Amino acid sequence: DGGITQSPKYLFRKEGQNVTLSCEQNLNHDAMYWYRQDPGQGLRLIYYSQIVNDFQKGDIAEGYSVSREKKESFPLTVTSAQKNPTAFYLCASSSAVSNQPQHFGDGTRLSIL
Amino acid sequence: SQKIEQNSEALNIQEGKTATLTCNYTNYSPAYLQWYRQDPGRGPVFLLLIRENEKEKRKERLKVTFDTTLKQSLFHITASQPADSATYLCALDMDMGRRALTFGSGTRLQVQP
Repeated sequence: DGGITQSPKYLFRKEGQNVTLSCEQNLNHDAMYWYRQDPGQGLRLIYYSQIVNDFQKGDIAEGYSVSREKKESFPLTVTSAQKNPTAFYLCASSSAVSNQPQHFGDGTRLSIL
Repeated sequence: SQKIEQNSEALNIQEGKTATLTCNYTNYSPAYLQWYRQDPGRGPVFLLLIRENEKEKRKERLKVTFDTTLKQSLFHITASQPADSATYLCALDMDMGRRALTFGSGTRLQVQP
């Protein structure tokens, strides 16, 4: 079955440490997205990519980095510069054509030790 | 600034009744609006998309309306069931230049048996 796989489900980070969240899709979608969700809040866009080897900052990109070397993969690195990284991170993909629905993974919950 | 508002208070209704959720937006005229369902600890799942030139869209027990004059969308679930209990998010293309959705904070629906 086609879908989006995020791993790990839970992740713990020590102070000053970078961590990378994995996102893989087999839907043949051109566009991929990373969101952050805090308790009781909506999804906030971190980064998005419309095509391989290209990506743009979203609303809260500071302290995060991404790469898009393959169509299927869009990993997110939470750097030590992100001072409040504890959150639920969601990856999504869609056809690059505008107004298409987004397909989401089941998220990674990141916590600080 | 552009803003999406959904009722942050949970909506509690009795099984069999119609649930109506509201999504209001300001300072923008989106070309389309989407509704998603999110269960605890899971990623959102796409439900319906409605375009600016469509007044109403239906899918099984779901109905969405889109009033571009009031800048409002209503999401209805008829003959509600306990299994419909979840958080419902609306999303709009608030910035056509970046082809990414902006999500509301969601409304939690609780259907009592």
